Amino acid sequence: KNEVEQSPQNLTAQEGEFITINCSYSVGISALHWLQQHPGGGIVSLFMLSSGKKKHGRLIATINIQEKHSSLHITASHPRDSAVYICAVEGAQKLVFGQGTRLTINP
Amino acid sequence: DTGVSQDPRHKITKRGQNVTFRCDPISEHNRLYWYRQTLGQGPEFLTYFQNEAQLEKSRLLSDRFSAERPKGSFSTLEIQRTEQGDSAMYLCASSLADSGYTFGSGTRLTVV
Repeated sequence: KNEVEQSPQNLTAQEGEFITINCSYSVGISALHWLQQHPGGGIVSLFMLSSGKKKHGRLIATINIQEKHSSLHITASHPRDSAVYICAVEGAQKLVFGQGTRLTINP
Repeated sequence: DTGVSQDPRHKITKRGQNVTFRCDPISEHNRLYWYRQTLGQGPEFLTYFQNEAQLEKSRLLSDRFSAERPKGSFSTLEIQRTEQGDSAMYLCASSLADSGYTFGSGTRLTVV
């Protein structure tokens, strides 16, 4: 079993829909990161969380430390949100990544 | 500072050849990481440096792989006697403790 599990692996939705991507982890962590990866490989950091909830524009990230679970939400999704979203947990001074969720938003 | 730079962006090499990749981190970041990502998978940890000291190496890093960060600034990752299984995206990231990570655009290696 992977230390970091994401669901779903693939998600296709229509423009405007509310999107939720889930991440569960099985190890102790100091922080959890949500990252966005576009075709071509570049990774952009979206959020770094150690508790509670953070919001940036249409993106919201939450974490429940007791349940070892985090969610990334996108409100009013747009085709430019299409990308791979990766959950990564930080422990022992390095990141352990989930497999990613490929999100496609159709116009 | 324009972020983390990786060079080259793409590398095609014949099996058995040696390749070297370079990463220039954000200048004030003391930690530098190398990750490898294969198609459809999340990145996997290879090694990391704090300043010039290499503090941890993954078991994925066979003896054909070596990484250096000689002056605590840029880093190089060398793969000797490349194999087709080495084909992947090699990602570099840098950080300052507890401040989050900045990733480079990666070097895509294809071994033919």
